[in-house]
Amino acid sequence: KNEVEQSPQNLTAQEGEFITINCSYSVGISALHWLQQHPGGGIVSLFMLSSGKKKHGRLIATINIQEKHSSLHITASHPRDSAVYICAVGPRSAFGTGTRLTIIP
Amino acid sequence: EAGVAQSPRYKIIEKRQSVAFWCNPISGHATLYWYQQILGQGPKLLIQFQNNGVVDDSQLPKDRFSAERLKGVDSTLKIQPAKLEDSAVYLCASSLEGTGANVLTFGAGSRLTVL
Repeated sequence: KNEVEQSPQNLTAQEGEFITINCSYSVGISALHWLQQHPGGGIVSLFMLSSGKKKHGRLIATINIQEKHSSLHITASHPRDSAVYICAVGPRSAFGTGTRLTIIP
Repeated sequence: EAGVAQSPRYKIIEKRQSVAFWCNPISGHATLYWYQQILGQGPKLLIQFQNNGVVDDSQLPKDRFSAERLKGVDSTLKIQPAKLEDSAVYLCASSLEGTGANVLTFGAGSRLTVL
């Protein structure tokens, strides 16, 4: 079993929909990272969090340390949000396999 | 602030040949990571350096992969001899320190194709 599990693996939605991507982990962590990877592009760090909630523009990330679970939400989704979203946990730098998000205009 | 630099961006070699990748992290970042990302999968940590010392190389196939960070700044990852299954993107990332509680900054990656 992977140390980091993401769901769903693939998600297709219409422009404007509210998106939720989930991440569960089975190890102790110092922090959890949400990363974004565009096709053929590099990886960009979206959030790093160890408790509570963070917001940046239309993106919101939450973490529940007791339940070992984090969610990434996208409000008012747009086709440019189409990418692979990856959850990773430190300190051992374990990664989920990613969620491929496609937003249809 | 300059990002994490990697080279080459693309490399095509035949199996049993050797290849080397170079990474220059963000200035001042003590921790450097090398990851292997096979198509359709998430990155897998190969090796983590703290300055010039190895913190974690438990998933590095040491019979064919080697990495060094001699002066605690830039790093090289070598594969010798390469196998078909080594075809992947090799990502370098750095952070201020290695507890996992600092933002990771990734390079653009080096895409390796082994024929």
